[in-house]
Amino acid sequence: KNEVEQSPQNLTAQEGEFITINCSYSVGISALHWLQQHPGGGIVSLFMLSSGKKKHGRLIATINIQEKHSSLHITASHPRDSAVYICAVMRDSNYQLIWGAGTKLIIKP
Amino acid sequence: DTGVSQDPRHKITKRGQNVTFRCDPISEHNRLYWYRQTLGQGPEFLTYFQNEAQLEKSRLLSDRFSAERPKGSFSTLEIQRTEQGDSAMYLCASSLWTAGVNTEAFFGQGTRLTVV
Repeated sequence: KNEVEQSPQNLTAQEGEFITINCSYSVGISALHWLQQHPGGGIVSLFMLSSGKKKHGRLIATINIQEKHSSLHITASHPRDSAVYICAVMRDSNYQLIWGAGTKLIIKP
Repeated sequence: DTGVSQDPRHKITKRGQNVTFRCDPISEHNRLYWYRQTLGQGPEFLTYFQNEAQLEKSRLLSDRFSAERPKGSFSTLEIQRTEQGDSAMYLCASSLWTAGVNTEAFFGQGTRLTVV
C-alpha cells in the first residue's frame, strides 16, 4: 500500500463544476503540500498545510490530521485549471517529501 | 524575488557526457532540495542542503552524481558519464527552516534532461 493515496486518478468535468480531489496518507507528517503540474513538467506550489483550511482564490485545501486526510477543492472550475494535481507529505523528519501519484484533471469548456 | 529558478530548462546530451544543472532558490530560504522525476512517476528525493551543508543524500544518488551549494545560495547538480536512465526531470525546491518549523516549499520549473 502506498504511503500517500490520491483519488480519483483521472477526473473530467465541465467548466463551472465544483471539483474535489482527495488525499490520504499513512505516515506521520509535519506538513502536506498540494502542487499543480502542467504539461511540460513545471510544478507550482498551491498550498502547504499542517492543520485546518486554506483558501487562495477559487482553490480551497483542508486537512484532518486525526483522519490523515486532505482535500483540494476547486470552485467554478475553468479549462485553465486542467493539470495534474499532486498531494505530497513531508515526513516528521522534515526533509523527505512523499508524493502521491497525482490526479489528472481535465475541465471541458 | 522571482521564485526558484533552474537553468537550463532543457538539456539534451550524448551518453557518457557530463552535465551540470543550476538552481537559484528564493533568496531568504536556507533549505534547498533536489528531486528527480521520471516519466509517469512522482518525484524522488535526491538530496538536500541546509545553507551550504549537504545534510542528506538518497541511495538514488550514485557516485556519478554530485551536488554542491558552496555559499549557501545557489546549488549545482552534476551528473558525470551520463546514462540513458538518467533521462528525467530534475526539480529543485527551497524552503525556510527555523527553530524546527519549515515554511512552504517552492519548486522551480525543473530541468528536463534527455540522454541520447
